[in-house]
Amino acid sequence: DQQVKQNSPSLSVQEGRISILNCDYTNSMFDYFLWYKKYPAEGPTFLISISSIKDKNEDGRFTVFLNKSAKHLSLHIVPSQPGDSAVYFCAASGASGTYKYIFGTGTRLKVLA
Amino acid sequence: DTEVTQTPKHLVMGMTNKKSLKCEQHMGHRAMYWYKQKAKKPPELMFVYSYEKLSINESVPSRFSPECPNSSLLNLHLHALQPEDSALYLCASSTSGGAIGELFFGEGSRLTVL
Repeated sequence: DQQVKQNSPSLSVQEGRISILNCDYTNSMFDYFLWYKKYPAEGPTFLISISSIKDKNEDGRFTVFLNKSAKHLSLHIVPSQPGDSAVYFCAASGASGTYKYIFGTGTRLKVLA
Repeated sequence: DTEVTQTPKHLVMGMTNKKSLKCEQHMGHRAMYWYKQKAKKPPELMFVYSYEKLSINESVPSRFSPECPNSSLLNLHLHALQPEDSALYLCASSTSGGAIGELFFGEGSRLTVL
């Protein structure tokens, strides 16, 4: 049972345009969400996070939106750059006191120059 | 220092071998993790150590044996592995005492079992 899903395995976007990566979750106990970027043969790198008490968090070109009623979050990258080409994972964790971060299946983003 | 260092980067072993993967962090983090990642799949949690004590074991086979000698080091001892155990093994650490906080990952150890 995949509790965190990224339904688009891949996405291609033109350089300078917006990239929107989506993530859905099923467990209503999740209250903290993170996005990671992964290049081949490297470990995931943290990008941005959001707590369930917020619906938006922004950091430079990256913005994460959380819709708790829909159990959906999205990552917006504006403007997209070729260096953003990577696999993006969303991750979710539950109530404080647990250490379980559940990762989504990943979306491969390709930014075309 | 915001790095998690994993060694070796690549490991090839036979099914009868005993080997170990090592992980080190000097960020003062008190939670350390082992994840396993197969190709085109998300990282899957294996073990979590909190304050050097094993707090989560995700029903991992006993041929994988974790060890946390101190707050900076995490080992994964490997014995009698199967070819299907070939994967990228990721170590991570986090600062907080709960699930709130980012994971810092190492670059991973790519394991091939022949």
